[in-house]
Amino acid sequence: AQSVTQLDSQVPVFEEAPVELRCNYSSSVSVYLFWYVQYPNQGLQLLLKYLSGSTLVESINGFEAEFNKSQTSFHLRKPSVHISDTAEYFCAVSESTGGFKTIFGAGTRLFVKA
Amino acid sequence: SAVISQKPSRDICQRGTSLTIQCQVDSQVTMMFWYRQQPGQSLTLIATANQGSEATYESGFVIDKFPISRPNLTFSTLTVSNMSPEDSSIYLCSVEGRTEAPFEQFFGPGTRLTVL
Repeated sequence: AQSVTQLDSQVPVFEEAPVELRCNYSSSVSVYLFWYVQYPNQGLQLLLKYLSGSTLVESINGFEAEFNKSQTSFHLRKPSVHISDTAEYFCAVSESTGGFKTIFGAGTRLFVKA
Repeated sequence: SAVISQKPSRDICQRGTSLTIQCQVDSQVTMMFWYRQQPGQSLTLIATANQGSEATYESGFVIDKFPISRPNLTFSTLTVSNMSPEDSSIYLCSVEGRTEAPFEQFFGPGTRLTVL
């Protein structure tokens, strides 16, 4: 069975600084990887995903994540954060043979300070 | 994408009672998922609901406590039975994006349950 580990429960960072949110997974089969974001008092929504092809995937608001199979990681990065990026970020994994069942990590709370 | 609505959006219930949460999707989907998100924690999958068959429950969740119905391809209900304060949580339903957005999950707004 797959599992997801997010190494940081909280990440405080100043505005315009770079940030990396770490995610590692374990699985015995091929996986699909996701980052979901939950802004304060809002529902969960997809930020970006890796299904196949290029290991570097990007979101429309400047985040990117790189799938590293050898390190079983899918870290999320942004070179310069904004106050509006303050949110809870969840890494998630779905096994390619798992019937679409998705397992979520514990979440990382990104807090951007002025 | 799929648009998902849930009822009720929130409720406060007494210990020992039951609450049924409804989930409506604007398109036909094969699989629907029920999650629980306890305060300050991640999402935990409760069960997968397929139309026309019994729901598949994850470890730690049982049908007697969380009975699920899936009468058609656009609707599902989750009942939280014999509630205790430990059941206080946000309950979310979700669906997979099918061919338009494979493996992506779309979530409802959630039902915030408080058990006194």
